[in-house]
Amino acid sequence: DGGITQSPKYLFRKEGQNVTLSCEQNLNHDAMYWYRQDPGQGLRLIYYSQIVNDFQKGDIAEGYSVSREKKESFPLTVTSAQKNPTAFYLCASFRNTEAFFGQGTRLTVV
Amino acid sequence: KQEVTQIPAALSVPEGENLVLNCSFTDSAIYNLQWFRQDPGKGLTSLLLIQSSQREQTSGRLNASLDKSSGRSTLYIAASQPGDSATYLCAVMMDSSYKLIFGSGTRLLVRP
Repeated sequence: DGGITQSPKYLFRKEGQNVTLSCEQNLNHDAMYWYRQDPGQGLRLIYYSQIVNDFQKGDIAEGYSVSREKKESFPLTVTSAQKNPTAFYLCASFRNTEAFFGQGTRLTVV
Repeated sequence: KQEVTQIPAALSVPEGENLVLNCSFTDSAIYNLQWFRQDPGKGLTSLLLIQSSQREQTSGRLNASLDKSSGRSTLYIAASQPGDSATYLCAVMMDSSYKLIFGSGTRLLVRP
């Protein structure tokens, strides 16, 4: 089945730790995006990549980093510099201008 | 700066009712508008995509309209069912960069 796979579904981070969220797609889409969702709010753009080996900051990139070494993969690292990382993280890819989302990773700081 | 607003934030209706969800945006120069459904703890599922040149799109019991000049879109759900209970999000795309700007969503509960 074609789709976007995010892992893990739940992730717990201790203070000062870096953690990496995985996003893999087999849809052959060039564009991949990372969003953050907080309770009762819409999604906010963290980083995006429209082609392999290239990515741009979104609206809330501070404290996050990404890489795009393969078309299929766009991992997001939440660094210790992100002071409020507890949120629901969603990865998306685009066919033409239609967005397709993964099932999300819920990150909690403990 | 584009702002997207969805009112009401929550809606509860009895099964079988036809209903309308509203989405408004401040900058009418949009590229397209998408409606999504989100179940609790899950990702987003694309429902309907309306290009800027279109007035409406239909899929089954769903119909989405777009009025760019007034900065409004509506999602019409006919003959609502308990399985329609979810949060509905609208998002606008301003250009071909694929960057979406989201509203906060309307949480819908359809009571049996």
